[in-house]
Amino acid sequence: DTGVSQDPRHKITKRGQNVTFRCDPISEHNRLYWYRQTLGQGPEFLTYFQNEAQLEKSRLLSDRFSAERPKGSFSTLEIQRTEQGDSAMYLCASSPGQGLFSGANVLTFGAGSRLTVL
Amino acid sequence: RKEVEQDPGPFNVPEGATVAFNCTYSNSASQSFFWYRQDCRKEPKLLMSVYSSGNEDGRFTAQLNRASQYISLLIRDSKLSDSATYLCVVKHGSGNTPLVFGKGTRLSVIA
Repeated sequence: DTGVSQDPRHKITKRGQNVTFRCDPISEHNRLYWYRQTLGQGPEFLTYFQNEAQLEKSRLLSDRFSAERPKGSFSTLEIQRTEQGDSAMYLCASSPGQGLFSGANVLTFGAGSRLTVL
Repeated sequence: RKEVEQDPGPFNVPEGATVAFNCTYSNSASQSFFWYRQDCRKEPKLLMSVYSSGNEDGRFTAQLNRASQYISLLIRDSKLSDSATYLCVVKHGSGNTPLVFGKGTRLSVIA
């Protein structure tokens, strides 16, 4: 499978626990993005990486959220001390990111990791 | 004002109908525009990019009006399989800026 993979697909946790999501992008893509989506809303940008460098973080990303992409390949998104408001679908996407061709910025999404905080 | 605004719908149309969605964006420096499709409980997938001169892909036509800062999507001869949420997506600037998604417009095509 050469698409974007996310793990786990579903996570149920109790408030206050830490959770970590993993994303494996398309191998030749050097940009990786994390978005969050709740019911009835479009995906909201959280953060993104160009290779291993984290280039931008949204104001939505509180101090409890941290993302890494240590070797420029897979990425992890950790949420510490989860709150009920963190319940959402966490979507990872990747894009080629380089070049001026029209597809450079096109995102390919993974199936998402659905988080439920009780 | 939200960065990308769409009518959430739902639009309920019969098979064979033509339906149009509009989307407005707030940042005049926006450079790239897309329509994504999202099926229920699935991830968004690219439907089509939107070019300045307008573009067509089969039954789908996308248009961009930079002066008024809006984008449109026209679907002709609607099929049941077109039922989905259509997300308007904008990239501000040409540098390292992420894509901004609208809330989406829900379409239901009815037999």
